[in-house]
Amino acid sequence: NAGVTQTPKFQVLKTGQSMTLQCAQDMNHEYMSWYRQDPGMGLRLIHYSVGAGITDQGEVPNGYNVSRSTTEDFPLRLLSAAPSQTSVYFCASSSGAGLWYGYTFGSGTRLTVV
Amino acid sequence: EDKVVQSPLSLVVHEGDTVTLNCSYEVTNFRSLLWYKQEKKAPTFLFMLTSSGIEKKSGRLSSILDKKELFSILNITATQTGDSAIYLCAVAGSNYQLIWGAGTKLIIKP
Repeated sequence: NAGVTQTPKFQVLKTGQSMTLQCAQDMNHEYMSWYRQDPGMGLRLIHYSVGAGITDQGEVPNGYNVSRSTTEDFPLRLLSAAPSQTSVYFCASSSGAGLWYGYTFGSGTRLTVV
Repeated sequence: EDKVVQSPLSLVVHEGDTVTLNCSYEVTNFRSLLWYKQEKKAPTFLFMLTSSGIEKKSGRLSSILDKKELFSILNITATQTGDSAIYLCAVAGSNYQLIWGAGTKLIIKP
């Protein structure tokens, strides 16, 4: 049982490049979300989805797009990378019924934009 | 605006000491408070609290919630070097969102 799988684990981008961070879960969870984590700032929600075909913005959505065409996958797209997007990105999922019981997190992607 | 504040931001103690980590919150439509431990990678779930005064316990870790005063504490007794981590507090409110604190970085010295 893989849980939440994120790829890649590390990535270096040049300013202006675009890329997609992949996230897949095999637990049939309805709720998926993307967070970024910066030193001293905790986890900040970028985008989230409560089911296939439904997405919404979180606290810091600018510069990022998401889609949810299947229950399993929730990719995060960086449209035009900026140094301010240097961060560690986590994907997380939860079943709808157990939402308040917390998330299962992926192992993270460390992104550096130069 | 919803917020979760953790204190202290960092803490250094010696192995065997007992530590208390604090989490205060102001969140609309409170549903639950969660504690996570983060070592080198992803946060891992520790506790979920929904009711005041009921202690959750797992080994040397315990946590309690006070919904009147809007805070929670996480206690770790007889600390070990493996307890070194960032401890994160999050509160679930409206709209399926968790509000996260900045975390407490705990360092246990041998």
